[in-house]
Amino acid sequence: GQQLNQSPQSMFIQEGEDVSMNCTSSSIFNTWLWYKQDPGEGPVLLIALYKAGELTSNGRLTAQFGITRKDSFLNISASIPSDVGIYFCAGQLVPGGGADGLTFGKGTHLIIQP
Amino acid sequence: DAGVTQSPTHLIKTRGQQVTLRCSPKSGHDTVSWYQQALGQGPQFIFQYYEEEERQRGNFPDRFSGHQFPNYSSELNVNALLLGDSALYLCASSPGHDTDTQYFGPGTRLTVL
Repeated sequence: GQQLNQSPQSMFIQEGEDVSMNCTSSSIFNTWLWYKQDPGEGPVLLIALYKAGELTSNGRLTAQFGITRKDSFLNISASIPSDVGIYFCAGQLVPGGGADGLTFGKGTHLIIQP
Repeated sequence: DAGVTQSPTHLIKTRGQQVTLRCSPKSGHDTVSWYQQALGQGPQFIFQYYEEEERQRGNFPDRFSGHQFPNYSSELNVNALLLGDSALYLCASSPGHDTDTQYFGPGTRLTVL
């Protein structure tokens, strides 16, 4: 089945720094999604991308859908303590939905030092 | 408006036993998907229920089965538990089967001894 390679596995940064993480796939996806998961909670959707080349922002978060449709990146600007958590990329084959489930990466664990 | 709720929060079982996990979707949502999240991994899709039928299934054995009720709530059943079934089981609901608008519950932590 499809696999998503997410990197880095973990990041230790100073508060106020910018963060960048990415996800690559061996297969083409039609939708890329970025989630954040806090301890004891389920993943929360941050950004959804639907078109190759699309660049979308949500506050301090910016994500892009790669031109090849096999990759995506997420940037966080001016990190703050509440950004701590695990960030997951997820891909979906069927545009706009369908019965297929999501394929998730293994996550990037973000740790912020004050 | 309550979001997705799951019960129980934690569960401990022994190998060979059977377990049932429950999920109530967000109000207005009629589709429920189940995921297994092993420690340190991303969630893996188990199956999705819509209109009380299993619409799609991931790469999981038949020991994993489910059900959706007329009120859209859902159950996940796992038979003949293995140690490797220990994981966080996440339920996600969505309106229709648009998985890009799905909301996740907090999960049920299953430990198999």
